[in-house]
Amino acid sequence: QSALTQPASVSGSPGQSITISCTGTSSDFGGYNFVSWYQQHPGKAPKLMIYDVSKRPSGVSNRFSGSKSGNTASLTISGLQAEDEADYYCSSSTSSSTVLFGGGTKLTVL
Amino acid sequence: QVQLQQWGAGLLKPSETLSLTCAVYGGSFSGYFCSWIRQPPGKGLEWIGEINHSGSTNYNPSLKSRVTISVDTSKNQFSLKLSSVTAADTAVYYCAREPPVGSMVRGVMVYYYYYMDVWGEGTTVTVSS
Repeated sequence: QSALTQPASVSGSPGQSITISCTGTSSDFGGYNFVSWYQQHPGKAPKLMIYDVSKRPSGVSNRFSGSKSGNTASLTISGLQAEDEADYYCSSSTSSSTVLFGGGTKLTVL
Repeated sequence: QVQLQQWGAGLLKPSETLSLTCAVYGGSFSGYFCSWIRQPPGKGLEWIGEINHSGSTNYNPSLKSRVTISVDTSKNQFSLKLSSVTAADTAVYYCAREPPVGSMVRGVMVYYYYYMDVWGEGTTVTVSS
């Protein structure tokens, strides 16, 4: 199984909004709305930011939002802050009952 | 608050077997899947496989022939074994918990497991001769 496709990098200035896309095949997404997003700072374990396409775990800022259209999921971060600078990964449940990650996107806050 | 603590050998020679264990503290294993994920240096995340408290497993097809994930419910622990390692298996290995997501399918509640809400701190494994 190949990784979901994400842009290698995105950037934005503080206060701006950015969107990270995550594209796969219909099999990659299994026909479900089972998409999650993780934030990873250098040297740290990933942190769950979004699950079930658009749900936020308790404690995650509402500046983070998720959506999905067809075979592309998206993570939007509004009101960019310096601490948002990190790597972001999408993940899905596939039609083969496996988990697939995206290649990761490096977010730079200018 | 649930925490995952993981441990295992950090330096292996080619052809040896990688062995890691993850303990679940502050909560039961029952009702969840627990997974292993790895991240080679400077690269992205790769899902290795998962197991539930009953021992039901799912594996990444690309690693399936070399991977065994097992569970010890008496100790609230699950383990990863990866055989015949090479330098390409050098990575930080994480354990993580997958909570259930319920979905009605033809009037029956079916549970899916795919996202990780609690992660271990990671174990660096280096394969070198």
